[in-house]
Amino acid sequence: EVQLLESGGDLVQPGGSLRLSCAASGFTVSRYGMSWVRQAPGKGLEWVSAVGTVDDTYYADSVTGRFTISRDISENTLYLQMTSLTAEDTAVYHCVREGRGAADNQFDYWGQGTLVTVSS
Amino acid sequence: EIVLTQSPGTLSLSPGERATLSCRASQRVDSRYLAWYQQKPGQAPRLLIYATSSRATGIPDRFSGSGSGTDFTLTISRLEPEDFAVYYCQQFGRSPLFTFGPGTKVDIK
Repeated sequence: EVQLLESGGDLVQPGGSLRLSCAASGFTVSRYGMSWVRQAPGKGLEWVSAVGTVDDTYYADSVTGRFTISRDISENTLYLQMTSLTAEDTAVYHCVREGRGAADNQFDYWGQGTLVTVSS
Repeated sequence: EIVLTQSPGTLSLSPGERATLSCRASQRVDSRYLAWYQQKPGQAPRLLIYATSSRATGIPDRFSGSGSGTDFTLTISRLEPEDFAVYYCQQFGRSPLFTFGPGTKVDIK
């Protein structure tokens, strides 16, 4: 069974940093594209960052230069390093797996998310 | 940048009725990369439809997707109580890599 379990969300001051983790089970993270998608309180979904199967990385304009996506194959875990955080980064951050084959580039499994709150 | 617009913003219907949700793109979308998700309060989104019209695993056949080019539709043939939720369309493209529509809330009339 595929499972994604995020952790690392916290209350952090503006300008601070945080690292989110996503422990995957039931599949190997290195064999799938993986993304982070966030949802601000009461708002819609916003894609944040992705890493492909050849470790190519992509970022939304709003986080480019501040966030870094990575994965640890030995731990089967996805990470999101976040720096220079602002109030606009406050959201639940979901770890998601991209499908393969006909479901390529669509998100077939989602974690429950971890809450990041940026406030003084 | 492709922008997705969903309409209506809110759809008020009764159980048993048919729901038709629209997703319109500012530029042509590759139909292989258009998906729909359902999100209930306090839950993560769930993939319903991928590649415009293919149902994800375990999704009942009352859900169907159609469309091409810039206009896509999610149809729920007969609303069940568990279908009242927010629905998002999503596309894969370039810069940004993925975009979501703002969502349509289907609530009980």
